[in-house]
Amino acid sequence: NAGVTQTPKFQVLKTGQSMTLQCAQDMNHEYMSWYRQDPGMGLRLIHYSVGAGITDQGEVPNGYNVSRSTTEDFPLRLLSAAPSQTSVYFCATKGLAGGEGTDTQYFGPGTRLTVL
Amino acid sequence: GQSLEQPSEVTAVEGAIVQINCTYQTSGFYGLSWYQQHDGGAPTFLSYNGLDGLEETGRFSSFLSRSDSYGYLLLQELQMKDSASYFCAVKGRTGFQKLVFGTGTRLLVSP
Repeated sequence: NAGVTQTPKFQVLKTGQSMTLQCAQDMNHEYMSWYRQDPGMGLRLIHYSVGAGITDQGEVPNGYNVSRSTTEDFPLRLLSAAPSQTSVYFCATKGLAGGEGTDTQYFGPGTRLTVL
Repeated sequence: GQSLEQPSEVTAVEGAIVQINCTYQTSGFYGLSWYQQHDGGAPTFLSYNGLDGLEETGRFSSFLSRSDSYGYLLLQELQMKDSASYFCAVKGRTGFQKLVFGTGTRLLVSP
């Protein structure tokens, strides 16, 4: 099993360009989410999904779109890149069947994005 | 809203014990998690407390006191490989599955 995969690993964009960060998982997890990590800021939730066709906003959703057409994939779209979106982006998944007793989120390796 | 506070950095020597504290303010509370992240790597899950008390997993233990809105991660028999950043994260009542992360504590273990 590959777990959680993210592509690309590195990306450089110019201001105003658009792009899609890919996230895929083979663990059949219902819950998927996107975080961004900036120095000294910890991880901040951008968008999340509790199943195919269901998405919702996190703490910092502006400038990003998501969709969830399958259980496996949860792409993150940057509509018009800005230098403030320079960050490391992590995708994470979690199975919902475990209930409240466990809370393990599995993170992908990250995408390092620079916007010039 | 939700906010978490952790020390920014902790230093210790190999073989020692270190405690990383986390205090939180949330509009609701379901549980406190801890994640480890090495430089350049992804966060990995360490521990979860849904109820008050101590959870032990090998050299790592995590404690929660819901009445004090406080938890800590205890690392025993420190090894060089434990040098990493440690994040606490809260699952609050609003947004059942959403985690809010603290800003992280950087642990430096020296020989």
